[in-house]
Amino acid sequence: DAKTTQPPSMDCAEGRAANLPCNHSTISGNEYVYWYRQIHSQGPQYIIHGLKNNETNEMASLIITEDRKSSTLILPHATLRDTAVYYCIVRASGGYQKVTFGTGTKLQVIP
Amino acid sequence: GAGVSQSPSNKVTEKGKDVELRCDPISGHTALYWYRQSLGQGLEFLIYFQGNSAPDKSGLPSDRFSAERTGGSVSTLTIQRTQQEDSAVYLCASSLEAGVRGYTFGSGTRLTVV
Repeated sequence: DAKTTQPPSMDCAEGRAANLPCNHSTISGNEYVYWYRQIHSQGPQYIIHGLKNNETNEMASLIITEDRKSSTLILPHATLRDTAVYYCIVRASGGYQKVTFGTGTKLQVIP
Repeated sequence: GAGVSQSPSNKVTEKGKDVELRCDPISGHTALYWYRQSLGQGLEFLIYFQGNSAPDKSGLPSDRFSAERTGGSVSTLTIQRTQQEDSAVYLCASSLEAGVRGYTFGSGTRLTVV
């Protein structure tokens, strides 16, 4: 798997957009970028994924750079319930791969 | 079921005892993963099952750890002669073999070895 690097922590004011960066400079052509989040005491939850085009769903938007070496997860209007650890991983779409989750970014949404 | 189910949700055991942790994946998901998360740490891969293929056990930290998956569905992670450093949250995830949405995680089992 391509490794990812994320800042260990970020703060965001409630109601503002939270922009969480992720670097994945060794990503392969068939690898997708996935984002998960883990709210305290729960298992990680899928948020969004993408290959090369920007993606949006009801939870977030994913912006992937043209060279695919980095991406940004955007929570457009952060709420206190968005306080969590956010993980960025890369993996191919099919077949087995042993995926490692790093320590992610701890996002603290501030009232 | 609708999600990945893990039991028990909490387990306190004495040092030296054996424990069994159970994972019931989403019906139809052929891939099953076990991860461990120590306090304040990321997710550490333990073992992976895929259909009838030999499991990838490369993440198991010692021979006290073992896992099996019966009938391609329910999985049990067994820790023998537990040690205090085994205290962690043990997470199970499942996925479709070719699923692009990735994993669905259970809520985990919090193991405390006293």
